[in-house]
Amino acid sequence: EAQVTQNPRYLITVTGKKLTVTCSQNMNHEYMSWYRQDPGLGLRQIYYSMNVEVTDKGDVPEGYKVSRKEKRNFPLILESPSPNQTSLYFCASSLYRGDEKLFFGSGTQLSVL
Amino acid sequence: RKEVEQDPGPFNVPEGATVAFNCTYSNSASQSFFWYRQDCRKEPKLLMSVYSSGNEDGRFTAQLNRASQYISLLIRDSKLSDSATYLCVVNMESTLTFGKGTMLLVSP
Repeated sequence: EAQVTQNPRYLITVTGKKLTVTCSQNMNHEYMSWYRQDPGLGLRQIYYSMNVEVTDKGDVPEGYKVSRKEKRNFPLILESPSPNQTSLYFCASSLYRGDEKLFFGSGTQLSVL
Repeated sequence: RKEVEQDPGPFNVPEGATVAFNCTYSNSASQSFFWYRQDCRKEPKLLMSVYSSGNEDGRFTAQLNRASQYISLLIRDSKLSDSATYLCVVNMESTLTFGKGTMLLVSP
């Protein structure tokens, strides 16, 4: 089954404790992206990657890191989480950047205390 | 000026009603347009693309008005299962920009 798998689904952590949210896709997509979704603000892009070892900042990259060492994986790293990073996070992938068919993972609800 | 604007709603309609949402975009050079559907706290999913000539998929009709820079989504014969948030998405130079969504609540 074609899918984007994100883990964990829920995460509660404390300020400053490094964490990683994993994202994997099995569709051989070149493009992957991370979004955060907050009430009243909609979906905002954090980082994206157009291929292996190619990553770029989105609209809200501060406080986040990503890596794309393999085509299928695109982890999101919070080196020192802060409460303002409490949000619902989605990983997404598509064949190429701008493709209408963006496949989303099921989301990660992160709470930073 | 916000790039993609939608009325957040909620639109409360009874089953069987027809409901329409609009979405305006600010960049006249925007190239393509889509509607995504998002159920509460779930991932967004592509509902349909919006073509210049308009397009229909069952009870759903999407239209584009480039002159006035808006797209619309019409849902006929609303079902309870149509309750969701509908996101307008605009593609400008391979960057997808999402609207904040319009919430639809269909009641029995």
